[in-house]
Amino acid sequence: SYDLTQPTSVSVSPGQTARITCSGDALPKQYGNWYQQKAGQAPVLVIYKDNKRPSGIPERFSGSNSGTRVTLTISGVQAEDEADYYCQTADNTGSSVVFGGGTKLTVL
Amino acid sequence: QVHLVESGGGLVKPGGSLRLSCEASGFAFSDCYMSWIRQAPGKGLEWISYISSSGSTMFYADSVKGRFTVSRDNAKNSLYLQMNSLRVEDTAIYYCTCYMGLNWFDPWGQGTLVTVSS
Repeated sequence: SYDLTQPTSVSVSPGQTARITCSGDALPKQYGNWYQQKAGQAPVLVIYKDNKRPSGIPERFSGSNSGTRVTLTISGVQAEDEADYYCQTADNTGSSVVFGGGTKLTVL
Repeated sequence: QVHLVESGGGLVKPGGSLRLSCEASGFAFSDCYMSWIRQAPGKGLEWISYISSSGSTMFYADSVKGRFTVSRDNAKNSLYLQMNSLRVEDTAIYYCTCYMGLNWFDPWGQGTLVTVSS
């Protein structure tokens, strides 16, 4: 098995750019996906296949992959973006799924 | 409107059993590989199983293998999770979700809480 490592917390002021990283040895070979989970709610997919944004997700959410690290970038952070964010990847059979430990984004 | 609604959670004693259900609407359920993912209180997300669109193939995380069984009824747009030999550490919110491209999960249900305690 393998791990995905995220920072425990990230803090930004409204209007600034938040970057949340996720590191793992499998990422050069596998896509990274990102989920937003607000307090008391189910997770919501915000980025898939490293940098694709589902319909309905604001353009301020973007993703990138630079080898062993994927990054979720939120430009012009808003108060409503305060949430836990989880990265996730899966092998090419789909039978080995890993989530990162989650990053709490605080909007100051 | 895409919708996944889980049910069947509750309080059960260690060693007991529980069956979760997930009813889908608003999308082609029979085309979707489906997964169960859980979240222990205050903890992160843990994938526990998936089932192919036809129901012929299932995979499980080591933590639940041999105790949990996933199944589906495409005629009823429903997904199930039979949980046996439950342990305290199985306490969590259980989510059902479509496993897109065998890679990412979308959409998610609202979850159902399972509490294993004596």
